[in-house]
Amino acid sequence: DIQMTQSPSSLSASAGDRVTITCRASQSIGSYLNWYQQKPGEAPKLLIYGASSLQSGVPSRFSGGGSGTDFTLTISSLQPEDFATYYCQQGYSTLGFTFGGGTKVEIK
Amino acid sequence: QITLKESGPTLVKPTQALTLTCTFSGFSLTTTGEAVGWIRQPPGKALEWLAVIFWDGEKRHSPSLKSRLTITKDTSKNQVVLTMTNMDPLDTATYFCARRRGWGSWFDYWGQGTPVTVSS
Repeated sequence: DIQMTQSPSSLSASAGDRVTITCRASQSIGSYLNWYQQKPGEAPKLLIYGASSLQSGVPSRFSGGGSGTDFTLTISSLQPEDFATYYCQQGYSTLGFTFGGGTKVEIK
Repeated sequence: QITLKESGPTLVKPTQALTLTCTFSGFSLTTTGEAVGWIRQPPGKALEWLAVIFWDGEKRHSPSLKSRLTITKDTSKNQVVLTMTNMDPLDTATYFCARRRGWGSWFDYWGQGTPVTVSS
């Protein structure tokens, strides 16, 4: 199995802050990395696919980067509606489309 | 418009089997490249991928749960069914179905999720 490790597990930030979340794969997955946002009581929402492609309708303040084993999700200017939990997911191995453990972004 | 909706029991007893149905619209599992997957989330915990079924009938299962999972499709009804045997209280979770897309296997449309509690 490919393991996905996110860091930090939680962070506190203020509106307007630049926030970066990291996701590390246990082996190289190329650009097969996707990011989701989940708010309490809701289904996850796709933000970024293929490491850096923005899903239609997602604000441009969200961006993704990286390849191989190390990836980032950056929110350039945190908005009140961005307080949520973020998950990475690898799509490289069909043995298991593993998710990361999540990063909770809280209001400072 | 693409929608997915999960249905099934909210309560199952330990050792029983769970059968969940995902009914979808706006796409067809007869179209090349389409696939539907199941993901679950225990209360307060992270997402866990369970299984996926492709347009051509190919299936993939979580290695850790493979022996307990069966995924099937009924293209005439636009449904995907997940069966999990020998349920345990640790299987208590919200179960989501989602459409899987692309070379990078992302999940672009999700159902609202259905909560399942395993308790005697």
